[in-house]
Amino acid sequence: DGGITQSPKYLFRKEGQNVTLSCEQNLNHDAMYWYRQDPGQGLRLIYYSQIVNDFQKGDIAEGYSVSREKKESFPLTVTSAQQNPTAFYLCASTLDRGGPKNIQYFGAGTRLSVL
Amino acid sequence: AQKVTQAQTEISVVEKEDVTLDCVYETRDTTYYLFWYKQPPSGELVFLIRRNSFDEQNEISGRYSWNFQKSTSSFNFTITASQVVDSAVYFCALSEGPEAGNMLTFGGGTRLMVKP
Repeated sequence: DGGITQSPKYLFRKEGQNVTLSCEQNLNHDAMYWYRQDPGQGLRLIYYSQIVNDFQKGDIAEGYSVSREKKESFPLTVTSAQQNPTAFYLCASTLDRGGPKNIQYFGAGTRLSVL
Repeated sequence: AQKVTQAQTEISVVEKEDVTLDCVYETRDTTYYLFWYKQPPSGELVFLIRRNSFDEQNEISGRYSWNFQKSTSSFNFTITASQVVDSAVYFCALSEGPEAGNMLTFGGGTRLMVKP
């Protein structure tokens, strides 16, 4: 089945550690996105990528890094510089065009906690 | 900069009641897109509807209906005869299209609780 796969579902980070969240899609979508959701709040954009080997910062990029080496994959690294990483992280993708093609579809999310 | 406001943080209704979730947006663009997503307890966001700024027709899909009014910058969502399975957090979102990377700006969400 086509879709967006995020792994792991739950992740624990020790202080000073970098952790990487995986996002893979087999929808042949051009653009991919990472959002952060804190309890009781909406989603905020961390990074997005419209094409392989290119990405842009969103509203809250500090303490995070990404790569886009393949169209299907957009991993997010939460670095030790991110002081408050505990949150629910959602990955999304879309065909990078207007009209009905610009609907973002989401993965099931990764819940990150700090030990 | 764009902004989406969902003033209702939490709504509680009894099954079979109708309920309307409000969404007000701000944008300077004349071309934009509005979305509603549902987030059940599992966490994944489920797409419900997309509307572009040139199409003010209301839409009905089963028990769901949407009222888009550019004059008041609102895109409200009504569930008719609510059911327990409708319990979720609902998000309204705004995109300024591919020229802006199709980025979504989300409202804070409305938690809907439907009691049997």
